[in-house]
Amino acid sequence: EVQLVESGGGLVQPGRSLRLSCAASGFTFDDHAMHWVRQAPGKGLEWVSGISWSSRSIGYAESVKGRFTISRDNAKNSLYLQMNSLRAEDTALYYCAKDLFAVVGTTSTIDYWGQGTQVTVSS
Amino acid sequence: DIQMTQSPSSLSASVGDRVTITCRASQSISNYLNWYQQKPGKAPKLLIYASSSLQSGVPSRFSGSGSGTDFTLTISSLQPEDFATYYCQQSHSTPRLTFGGGTKVEIK
Repeated sequence: EVQLVESGGGLVQPGRSLRLSCAASGFTFDDHAMHWVRQAPGKGLEWVSGISWSSRSIGYAESVKGRFTISRDNAKNSLYLQMNSLRAEDTALYYCAKDLFAVVGTTSTIDYWGQGTQVTVSS
Repeated sequence: DIQMTQSPSSLSASVGDRVTITCRASQSISNYLNWYQQKPGKAPKLLIYASSSLQSGVPSRFSGSGSGTDFTLTISSLQPEDFATYYCQQSHSTPRLTFGGGTKVEIK
C-alpha cells in the first residue's frame, strides 16, 4: 500500500524558514517523480514544485521560485521542501504527492497523495 | 503560463443526473489533461489521466474527453458518493503543472 506521510509543518513568522519532509513507502521510490501541492484554506489546489526520480529535472511555481527548494533522498525514500522567506500567502495545507511516471514532464500525473501538513505564516 | 479555466465553478444536481464539467486551457495542451476528485477534508483522488484514460478502480460512470484546449469530465449517472469538488490539471507546460479552479458538485 502506498503511503506518503508529511511532517514539518507549523506556525512560523513571516520571513522565517521551514522544512517539510515526506516519508514514502509501499512503492519503489526512485522509480517515480514526486511533487508538492498546496491548498490554502477554502481554496483550490496549487502545484508548488516537482522533482524527477533522478533530481535532474525540477520545476517550481512562479509564486515560490527563488524561495522554495525541493529535494529528495532516494536512499531514505524521502522528499523535502525547504521554504525560505515565508509569506502570509504561503499559508496552506501542503500535500506530498507521487507521480505515475519517473520524470516531471508532459505526462506528469499525480496518482497518490499524502494527508498533508499545515503551514501557517503569521506574526 | 498556461491558465486552466473550469466551468461551472459550482453546480447542483440530483442522484441519477448526467453531469458535465468543462475545462479550457489558455493554449493547446494536446491531451495532457488529468481530472481529480476531492471530498471535504480528504486528499484529492485521480480519476482520469491523459484526457480520457480511466484510472484503475474508478467507476466507469466517469469519463473524460477532449484535446487541444477544450476538455470535459462526464459523470453518466451521479451517485451520492460523487458529491465533491473536481479539478482539472495540465502537464503540457513541463516542468510546471497547473490546476483549474475547481467545480463543486452539490446535491439539489
